[in-house]
Amino acid sequence: EAGVTQFPSHSVIEKGQTVTLRCDPISGHDNLYWYRRVMGKEIKFLLHFVKESKQDESGMPNNRFLAERTGGTYSTLKVQPAELEDSGVYFCASSLGGYTEAFFGQGTRLTVV
Amino acid sequence: QKEVEQNSGPLSVPEGAIASLNCTYSDRGSQSFFWYRQYSGKSPELIMFIYSNGDKEDGRFTAQLNKASQYVSLLIRDSQPSDSATYLCAVMGGGTSYGKLTFGQGTILTVHP
Repeated sequence: EAGVTQFPSHSVIEKGQTVTLRCDPISGHDNLYWYRRVMGKEIKFLLHFVKESKQDESGMPNNRFLAERTGGTYSTLKVQPAELEDSGVYFCASSLGGYTEAFFGQGTRLTVV
Repeated sequence: QKEVEQNSGPLSVPEGAIASLNCTYSDRGSQSFFWYRQYSGKSPELIMFIYSNGDKEDGRFTAQLNKASQYVSLLIRDSQPSDSATYLCAVMGGGTSYGKLTFGQGTILTVHP
């Protein structure tokens, strides 16, 4: 069974550009999460989808970040326009239930220059 | 005060020794507690989770939880060089925060032959 997959694995963009990260959760997992780790800091929660609905988006930094999960399958996280402080590793995770084990993807390393 | 704090590393132990990793959390309403292992450049991988006060053992790993002291720990017995990794403590709340993990900054463990 495929795990959580994320695309791309690395992205280098200039300040002001737009980047879209994609996450394919494990098949059948209704719960999908986005997290971010910036240099030297702990992994921080961004948001939580249950199917196509946003259950909790309390961790989204600002309105430059837009997450979608059309049809309750894969999810995208768009950053527009990107700023230098957006650099970090963006992790996606999925779980069957809200209280069950969350499986993480390999992450997308975003560098904004 | 950080929401989840882990003992500062790096932690270095000889092969065969017991490695002790500690974590404290600030939210008394926290429901579930997780230990993830992350190898460099890889995704976090769940090792143990614990919900109830006391000890939970799985092979060489033992998780200990004391909700009154807001403390959770992970013991690794008979440490192996392959255990060298960053260990992440994560806490899950309840209510509308279900599913959301709050991470500590991680403790780097090195097991030397």
